[in-house]
Amino acid sequence: SQQGEEDPQALSIQEGENATMNCSYKTSINNLQWYRQNSGRGLVHLILIRSNEREKHSGRLRVTLDTSKKSSSLLITASRAADTASYFCATGPISSGSARQLTFGSGTQLTVLP
Amino acid sequence: NAGVTQTPKFQVLKTGQSMTLQCAQDMNHNSMYWYRQDPGMGLRLIYYSASEGTTDKGEVPNGYNVSRLNKREFSLRLESAAPSQTSVYFCASSATAEQFFGPGTRLTVL
Repeated sequence: SQQGEEDPQALSIQEGENATMNCSYKTSINNLQWYRQNSGRGLVHLILIRSNEREKHSGRLRVTLDTSKKSSSLLITASRAADTASYFCATGPISSGSARQLTFGSGTQLTVLP
Repeated sequence: NAGVTQTPKFQVLKTGQSMTLQCAQDMNHNSMYWYRQDPGMGLRLIYYSASEGTTDKGEVPNGYNVSRLNKREFSLRLESAAPSQTSVYFCASSATAEQFFGPGTRLTVL
């Protein structure tokens, strides 16, 4: 079963606008990560936020985490056509031994129109 | 520095055939993973290897076997392919929480 569920499933915006994607999860986590997947390619890590953090920034990306609501959001500011991709949240459990097992959500397909 | 490489890129099998998907990483990572991705879904973990010499089942291990050949290589074997195993398979590796992914193998089982 999938730990994370993204919302919306698909999002279409104009270049220059901001894009917000949300992720909800079910069990306690050690960290939450966001990955991007361009069509036909592998996933690329974007940002990681730990369970004791509430907000994190990386360039045009802003991630928030609310552990009380078991939810996270990814904001991409000033979007570009090159941001068109699928975005996945992935949660790392509290106890995963020496392997960092992740559980992925079903993804948000973002389309940025020029 | 190639990162994570996977072979083959594409494969078509008939039901009952066997094959091995190869994965190698050159980042000296201890942990390696195999995922499958079905249309409109996220990735589901098949098997993982926390370190050389160890392997463990993930969420969907049935119908698959793995071998951690050495620190660099982690292979996934389908002994008797079924149409339900039609999917895109991704290998990943990690040293910390962040995982690095290969380009994927698109497998079709007829």
